[in-house]
Amino acid sequence: AQSVTQLGSHVSVSEGALVLLRCNYSSSVPPYLFWYVQYPNQGLQLLLKYTSAATLVKGINGFEAEFKKSETSFHLTKPSAHMSDAAEYFCAVSEDGANNLFFGTGTRLTVIP
Amino acid sequence: DAGVIQSPRHEVTEMGQEVTLRCKPISGHNSLFWYRQTMMRGLELLIYFNNNVPIDDSGMPEDRFSAKMPNASFSTLKIQPSEPRDSAVYFCASSSVAPGELFFGEGSRLTVL
Repeated sequence: AQSVTQLGSHVSVSEGALVLLRCNYSSSVPPYLFWYVQYPNQGLQLLLKYTSAATLVKGINGFEAEFKKSETSFHLTKPSAHMSDAAEYFCAVSEDGANNLFFGTGTRLTVIP
Repeated sequence: DAGVIQSPRHEVTEMGQEVTLRCKPISGHNSLFWYRQTMMRGLELLIYFNNNVPIDDSGMPEDRFSAKMPNASFSTLKIQPSEPRDSAVYFCASSSVAPGELFFGEGSRLTVL
């Protein structure tokens, strides 16, 4: 069975500091992994995706994530937080490459000026 | 591109009433998804369609919920009768062939009193 676990429902960082949002997955086959972002009162938007190509994936708005099979992790990072990064971030997994994704419970990122 | 369009954006109704949520996917997308988001349960997949055919409705909570996709440009999610525990934000999303790249609407916030 496929699932994702996001550690930390809330993360606060200072503006300009490193952003690290954690995601661990469980999958019986090589997974497809995704990060989505949700701004207040909006739907989710795709940030980046891993589909078995390069293990370091770059996304929009300066975010990137690294697939680590040995750690079953797909953590999201950004070197320098901006106020506009304040949002909720969801990690998601798909085992079959189809579009029925299983989402984590989300991490709310607060950026402190 | 207009994006995924959902209506209504907000709905307040009384217990026992019928609720119909509507979705227009992005033109050319062949998959459509209905998700429900609550604080307690996070983001749950209710049902998804591929080429207008329901593929997996195992997430539909009970018989009070039904979804249809009569053509490639329109889908409905109906709740009859509605109950207070159905209060949530309901998202529609569509996608084409790229795995995991879902495009979400802005959601329909349902409050059942």
